[in-house]
Amino acid sequence: NAGVTQTPKFRILKIGQSMTLQCAQDMNHNYMYWYRQDPGMGLKLIYYSVGAGITDKGEVPNGYNVSRSTTEDFPLRLELAAPSQTSVYFCASSYSDPGEWNTEAFFGQGTRLTVV
Amino acid sequence: GNSVTQMEGPVTLSEEAFLTINCTYTATGYPSLFWYVQYPGEGLQLLLKATKADDKGSNKGFEATYRKETTSFHLEKGSVQVSDSAVYFCALSRMDSSYKLIFGSGTRLLVRP
Repeated sequence: NAGVTQTPKFRILKIGQSMTLQCAQDMNHNYMYWYRQDPGMGLKLIYYSVGAGITDKGEVPNGYNVSRSTTEDFPLRLELAAPSQTSVYFCASSYSDPGEWNTEAFFGQGTRLTVV
Repeated sequence: GNSVTQMEGPVTLSEEAFLTINCTYTATGYPSLFWYVQYPGEGLQLLLKATKADDKGSNKGFEATYRKETTSFHLEKGSVQVSDSAVYFCALSRMDSSYKLIFGSGTRLLVRP
């Protein structure tokens, strides 16, 4: 059982370049999330999705875009990369029934992105 | 708004020492509370959770009790091992929150032999 798979694991971008971070889950989870983790700052939610075709902004969405065309995939797009986007990015998924907020989130291993 | 505050690390202990990592939260209503652990080079994984006041979550020798009167969810372990060295995150989720998980800043634990 693969769980949540993120690619790539590492990437160096130049300022102004664009890239897509891939995330796929094979657990048929309805919820998917993108977080960024800055040193000593915990995790900040970038975007999340409650199902295919539905996405919404989190705390820090500026500079990012997402799409959710299938249940399995939730790519994160960085347009015009900036040094402030240097971070570790985590994708996560969970299954929640309406009104059920105590279910476990499963995380990928992360993508370490450096913008130079 | 909703928030989670954790004690700053790093916390350095000798093997078999007692561990406490403090966590307090701000939220209206009755959030669910979680502890996640991140081992070096890996993603986060759920360690334990509690969904209502006075519940005790436990796993792998770790425990945390949901204290609504003090809005706290402190993580404890009676005897830590070197393999417990990791970053520990406290988190909450609420039924009417737009965000499913709100994390604290994490506490790094280093256990020395």
